[in-house]
Amino acid sequence: SAVISQKPSRDICQRGTSLTIQCQVDSQVTMMFWYRQQPGQSLTLIATANQGSEATYESGFVIDKFPISRPNLTFSTLTVSNMSPEDSSIYLCSVPAIPGGETQYFGPGTRLLVL
Amino acid sequence: DAKTTQPTSMDCAEGRAANLPCNHSTISGNEYVYWYRQIHSQGPQYIIHGLKNNETNEMASLIITEDRKSSTLILPHATLRDTAVYYCIVGSRSSNTGKLIFGQGTTLQVKP
Repeated sequence: SAVISQKPSRDICQRGTSLTIQCQVDSQVTMMFWYRQQPGQSLTLIATANQGSEATYESGFVIDKFPISRPNLTFSTLTVSNMSPEDSSIYLCSVPAIPGGETQYFGPGTRLLVL
Repeated sequence: DAKTTQPTSMDCAEGRAANLPCNHSTISGNEYVYWYRQIHSQGPQYIIHGLKNNETNEMASLIITEDRKSSTLILPHATLRDTAVYYCIVGSRSSNTGKLIFGQGTTLQVKP
């Protein structure tokens, strides 16, 4: 199994600012996924981040708002830009056990509160 | 991907079996059934998956009906630590996208 860490674990931010969330995996993986979990809700996939290519965003999510970097096979960042209170959520990254597989390991999440 | 329907919440007595149902009537032939759970304040945890045969691992058993339109996750001896939201997800491994589409899940409360 993969061990995933995220930084920060939580943060409180002011509206209009940006926050970059880091996701570190203890093994090399081609695919990484970023999810958002709004308060009391289920998880929603934001984007798929493949190393060496542009991230693929799901409907309703755009690169200007959620830019993603994937500099190597063990690391990715998600930036939440120009934040508003509606961005208050838990942000999680995950990696598949095998490339393209739906058996995935999740990070502990980053809890973001925007005031 | 096929959609799933789960009860919003369920209770179970500690030490008893917890049986969590899931309907996936539009599942197609190459789609698997996956179960994850999310304990409060943690990321989701993979439990088990199956195609058409029943599956068992150290965490749970998965029973899939013969027509594959529904399944049941069984926690044989529920403990208080099994209190979590349980997600039933249908996915196609052949799509090679790895995407997981989460529904609202079932909140399982294990009571002493």
